[in-house]
Amino acid sequence: GAVVSQHPSRVICKSGTSVKIECRSLDFQATTMFWYRQFPKQSLMLMATSNEGSKATYEQGVEKDKFLINHASLTLSTLTVTSAHPEDSSFYICSASSGREEETQYFGPGTRLLVL
Amino acid sequence: GQNIDQPTEMTATEGAIVQINCTYQTSGFNGLFWYQQHAGEAPTFLSYNVLDGLEEKGRFSSFLSRSKGYSYLLLKELQMKDSASYLCAVMDSNYQLIWGAGTKLIIKP
Repeated sequence: GAVVSQHPSRVICKSGTSVKIECRSLDFQATTMFWYRQFPKQSLMLMATSNEGSKATYEQGVEKDKFLINHASLTLSTLTVTSAHPEDSSFYICSASSGREEETQYFGPGTRLLVL
Repeated sequence: GQNIDQPTEMTATEGAIVQINCTYQTSGFNGLFWYQQHAGEAPTFLSYNVLDGLEEKGRFSSFLSRSKGYSYLLLKELQMKDSASYLCAVMDSNYQLIWGAGTKLIIKP
């Protein structure tokens, strides 16, 4: 099946620093990538949707200047948490879709961010 | 390697019961999640099992057997709105989520 990877798997940073998370589709071209935030035992909260080569579409309440998303190629999207604060600590999950299989999304393993 | 298996597609009748199975082989185990995802929407959390046994939540129940690497999601009194993809995911020893490919459930009147 299709494989999506994320890097790093976990990161600890100081408050005020920026953190970049990569999401890669390893064996297919992802025309669309999604970024989610997961809270313990809760549904995944969609943060933004990005299409290769165009600007990301952010969900209501998500600050686009704080969560910078770049989908520069068909296999890579990055999420940069700028000026991170402790409340940004969370589990960030990406998913990718090739756009060919009735919107099937393939999920990455997640990145655990802890801001001190 | 790590692997999650679940059926690709299942069909059931409105009002009936359906069981969606999930088997897993992972490096360590820190719980198993079931999510429901309607097309074009974010996955919705259904259940989290970390101990063996059955957990019931309304029309939905989830079962876990850690020794067998096996879980199932049981949906009762099926409604048309239950037509969706159901995702099984296991959190491994590194607290990474290993995802199944999802089971597309089709409900017929």
